[in-house]
Amino acid sequence: KNEVEQSPQNLTAQEGEFITINCSYSVGISALHWLQQHPGGGIVSLFMLSSGKKKHGRLIATINIQEKHSSLHITASHPRDSAVYICAVRSSGNYQLIWGAGTKLIIKP
Amino acid sequence: EAGVAQSPRYKIIEKRQSVAFWCNPISGHATLYWYQQILGQGPKLLIQFQNNGVVDDSQLPKDRFSAERLKGVDSTLKIQPAKLEDSAVYLCASSSTGTNYEQYFGPGTRLTVT
Repeated sequence: KNEVEQSPQNLTAQEGEFITINCSYSVGISALHWLQQHPGGGIVSLFMLSSGKKKHGRLIATINIQEKHSSLHITASHPRDSAVYICAVRSSGNYQLIWGAGTKLIIKP
Repeated sequence: EAGVAQSPRYKIIEKRQSVAFWCNPISGHATLYWYQQILGQGPKLLIQFQNNGVVDDSQLPKDRFSAERLKGVDSTLKIQPAKLEDSAVYLCASSSTGTNYEQYFGPGTRLTVT
């Protein structure tokens, strides 16, 4: 079993829909990252959080440390949000990043 | 602030050939990472440098992969000889020193081995 699991693996939605991507992990962490990867490979960090909730524009990230679970929400989704969203956790043991496999999101106009 | 630079962006080689990738991290970032990302998977850390010293290279296939960061700034990753399964995106990232630090990623180099 992977230490970081994301769901769903693939998600297709219509423009305007509310999107939720989930991340569960099984190790002790010091922080959790949400990153966005567009076709072509470049990765952009969206959020780094260790508790509670963060918001940036239409993106919201939450984390529940007790349940070892985080969610990334996109409100009023737009085709330009189409990308792979990756959850990565920083192990509290050795501070290495452990990556999820990513969620491929497609927003149709 | 300039981001992490990588070159080339794309490379196609035949198996058994050699290839090298270059990375220039964000100025002042002491830590540099090389990741391999195979299609459909999350990135896998190949090697982590702190200045010009290696912190972690446990997942680097040392029989064919090598990396260096001689002056603690730029880094090169080499594959010699390449295999078909090396086809992937190679990502370079950098961060400043400290726990819970954010990594900043370059655009990646997409390698295709035929």
